[in-house]
Amino acid sequence: DVKVTQSSRYLVKRTGEKVFLECVQDMDHENMFWYRQDPGLGLRLIYFSYDVKMKEKGDIPEGYSVSREKKERFSLILESASTNQTSMYLCASKRQYTEAFFGQGTRLTVV
Amino acid sequence: KNQVEQSPQSLIILEGKNCTLQCNYTVSPFSNLRWYKQDTGRGPVSLTIMTFSENTKSNGRYTATLDADTKQSSLHITASQLSDSASYICVVSANQAGTALIFGKGTTLSVSS
Repeated sequence: DVKVTQSSRYLVKRTGEKVFLECVQDMDHENMFWYRQDPGLGLRLIYFSYDVKMKEKGDIPEGYSVSREKKERFSLILESASTNQTSMYLCASKRQYTEAFFGQGTRLTVV
Repeated sequence: KNQVEQSPQSLIILEGKNCTLQCNYTVSPFSNLRWYKQDTGRGPVSLTIMTFSENTKSNGRYTATLDADTKQSSLHITASQLSDSASYICVVSANQAGTALIFGKGTTLSVSS
């Protein structure tokens, strides 16, 4: 079975902190994605990566950055967390022409 | 603008009853359409995929339909169970590789006993 693992299920961080969300997949997928999910807004794409060290901005990249140093790992970085970044964060990976597999999500609260 | 609209936003049904969820899309080019199920606090899981040439596809008690002419899809759930309580998300792929995914906002289904 494909497994996409996010490092934390729940996180509470303070405003201004630098936050790292980690995602690891075990199926050698070239494409990886970070989404945030908010009530009434659905999933919105923050960044995606189609190869090691490659990244593309999604619909809402402001306030975020990403890192993909190894094919299996895609990190989302909040440089200076703010309360409006409180959300559910979902990582996904996929091979071309196949379905996306999602991690279990990280519920981040910024206080 | 590429969009995926789902209806209803939420739905409550009794256990054992059937229900149908709707998805209308304006996505071009169209590659395929997937329905995902998302349990509360979990990541979405794919239920079924529909390509341009497919009209109907079943996965157990879930049956998806696609009308590519009217750009509409439906997900029919038969003999609902309490475990069907979840959010159902329609996702349209706007390219062959599947890296341009357009998400609907989901329908929240609650099945009560």
